[in-house]
Amino acid sequence: DSGVTQTPKHLITATGQRVTLRCSPRSGDLSVYWYQQSLDQGLQFLIHYYNGEERAKGNILERFSAQQFPDLHSELNLSSLELGDSALYFCASSPPPAEGFGNQPQHFGDGTRLSIL
Amino acid sequence: AQKVTQAQTEISVVEKEDVTLDCVYETRDTTYYLFWYKQPPSGELVFLIRRNSFDEQNEISGRYSWNFQKSTSSFNFTITASQVVDSAVYFCALSELGGPGNQFYFGTGTSLTVIP
Repeated sequence: DSGVTQTPKHLITATGQRVTLRCSPRSGDLSVYWYQQSLDQGLQFLIHYYNGEERAKGNILERFSAQQFPDLHSELNLSSLELGDSALYFCASSPPPAEGFGNQPQHFGDGTRLSIL
Repeated sequence: AQKVTQAQTEISVVEKEDVTLDCVYETRDTTYYLFWYKQPPSGELVFLIRRNSFDEQNEISGRYSWNFQKSTSSFNFTITASQVVDSAVYFCALSELGGPGNQFYFGTGTSLTVIP
């Protein structure tokens, strides 16, 4: 158990809909990262939040948005869903950086499997 | 361009064989970190090891060992005497320090199947 909690575990919805994925980081971790894992794209970094602030963006579509709340949990919002958005979405957290971001391992949740019908 | 390349898409070995998973990375930074993660069939991603760019010492942890060579930008992972439980997808990742935030660059993964 990594200590990172993601809900829901599975989500089935239709094209055009909007969903919200939730992530609670490990106790003490201030950073939250979101990733998308699909069969053809591998593990793609979406976005990084640190203590409530957006810090880095990767290949995140404009239809997707995220935020980190004061209690440090994070939500990833996916809207106008398309068939190609079907994937496993991972959240990861890491402790405060000792010397700049990137030196701490990320601990991953079990993921949310999103299926678009 | 891919920052992390795992050229081996799939590898199959017979139990008790040794196997090496290759990872080649690309960065202009002098300070960076490299990681290996394991994703078993159950789907979760498990952290295995972290190595910083200033530490080229090889590391051994049980049946696992890692060979970091800056001269060839490689961070290879060897499993000795493989077991069926080692069957998983293994990801190599690069993290560059500095900047207001951080993103990890993951390779496309190597799927290892250990045949009993």
